[in-house]
Amino acid sequence: DADVTQTPRNRITKTGKRIMLECSQTKGHDRMYWYRQDPGLGLRLIYYSFDVKDINKGEISDGYSVSRQAQAKFSLSLESAIPNQTALYFCATSDSTGTNYGYTFGSGTRLTVV
Amino acid sequence: AQKVTQAQTEISVVEKEDVTLDCVYETRDTTYYLFWYKQPPSGELVFLIRRNSFDEQNEISGRYSWNFQKSTSSFNFTITASQVVDSAVYFCALLHNDYKLSFGAGTTVTVRA
Repeated sequence: DADVTQTPRNRITKTGKRIMLECSQTKGHDRMYWYRQDPGLGLRLIYYSFDVKDINKGEISDGYSVSRQAQAKFSLSLESAIPNQTALYFCATSDSTGTNYGYTFGSGTRLTVV
Repeated sequence: AQKVTQAQTEISVVEKEDVTLDCVYETRDTTYYLFWYKQPPSGELVFLIRRNSFDEQNEISGRYSWNFQKSTSSFNFTITASQVVDSAVYFCALLHNDYKLSFGAGTTVTVRA
């Protein structure tokens, strides 16, 4: 099994629908992150969590919310999806510093909002 | 402000040519880490190399090498004798003091047979 698992891998949804992207990890890391990738913009941080009771906004949190259900689980929700949220979404984890290998990334969720 | 700039959007080479990817960063932190990641067409992100701000020694690992110059805030990455399997998007990233990772926009490398 992968260290960081994202579900679903691909999703097409309609404008206005609520959608949840899920992430689970077996690394035992405390820190988890959600990033969004758009062509020409690289990866941008949406939300991050340093432990179960800690949730922080990243640089592009508007329109998104998260839930840290357990150390191993971190979900990203789009309350009312819009077309410009079409992107590749990555979940990542790191140890307390992230300095050894940076982050461990999931395989990504490709989301299309029509 | 913490920022990572990859000025090259796309690079196309013929197999066996060397490819150098440029990365310039901005940070006020005195301690930081720099990374290169590879994203092949399958989409996953693969860790390649890491360098901390205290170690400017340049290294070679197989066909990969990197040139870290703190004086110019650059962290360039070279693939020697490129192969078709090197075709991917390459990201430079900066780990801040607050342990958040910032990415450049990426450079798409195409290696033609």
